Amino acid sequence: DAGVIQSPRHEVTEMGQEVTLRCKPISGHDYLFWYRQTMMRGLELLIYFNNNVPIDDSGMPEDRFSAKMPNASFSTLKIQPSEPRDSAVYFCASSELWTGENIQYFGAGTRLSVL
Amino acid sequence: RKEVEQDPGPFNVPEGATVAFNCTYSNSASQSFFWYRQDCRKEPKLLMSVYSSGNEDGRFTAQLNRASQYISLLIRDSKLSDSATYLCVVTGFLGDYKLSFGAGTTVTVRA
Repeated sequence: DAGVIQSPRHEVTEMGQEVTLRCKPISGHDYLFWYRQTMMRGLELLIYFNNNVPIDDSGMPEDRFSAKMPNASFSTLKIQPSEPRDSAVYFCASSELWTGENIQYFGAGTRLSVL
Repeated sequence: RKEVEQDPGPFNVPEGATVAFNCTYSNSASQSFFWYRQDCRKEPKLLMSVYSSGNEDGRFTAQLNRASQYISLLIRDSKLSDSATYLCVVTGFLGDYKLSFGAGTTVTVRA
């Protein structure tokens, strides 16, 4: 399997622009997670889905952030409008729970810079 | 209080040395525990799960102390390639699939 695939790997945008991050989970995994990592706050969970349904979005910082999972093989995280404080590395991870353990596999991340 | 707290280090050790560090967690109902490894500018990757009885994976030994709510990781015979940030990870109660990550412990192994 190719693993979790994220795109783009790097994104530089100007304040106020819309940013869309994309994720393809590992085939067969039924959970998908979006994280944000910064030096100050570490790795924070933003939202997670089970079978394409959002389960917990309590980590989404504000209404400017939205996430969708239209099918089992694709998810997006959108920031509109973007602000400089959104600059961070955004990771997507997926897991399958039938093993009984919540082992998450991470994508390579999208490094976002908002100027 | 943070859910998961780690000594940030850095731990700077020579090759061949043993290094050990802990992490504490606040939720006594936590069910699963892991150590993830993150290399500079890379994604976190699972290093090992942590079981109640303690477990080893080669040069790595993980221990769980539920009474005191801490997890430990010990690395024996350190290699240069062990240089990384080690993230302590805890899940919540049964059925809660969120992972709580510690801020990480940085280990640097020098030649």
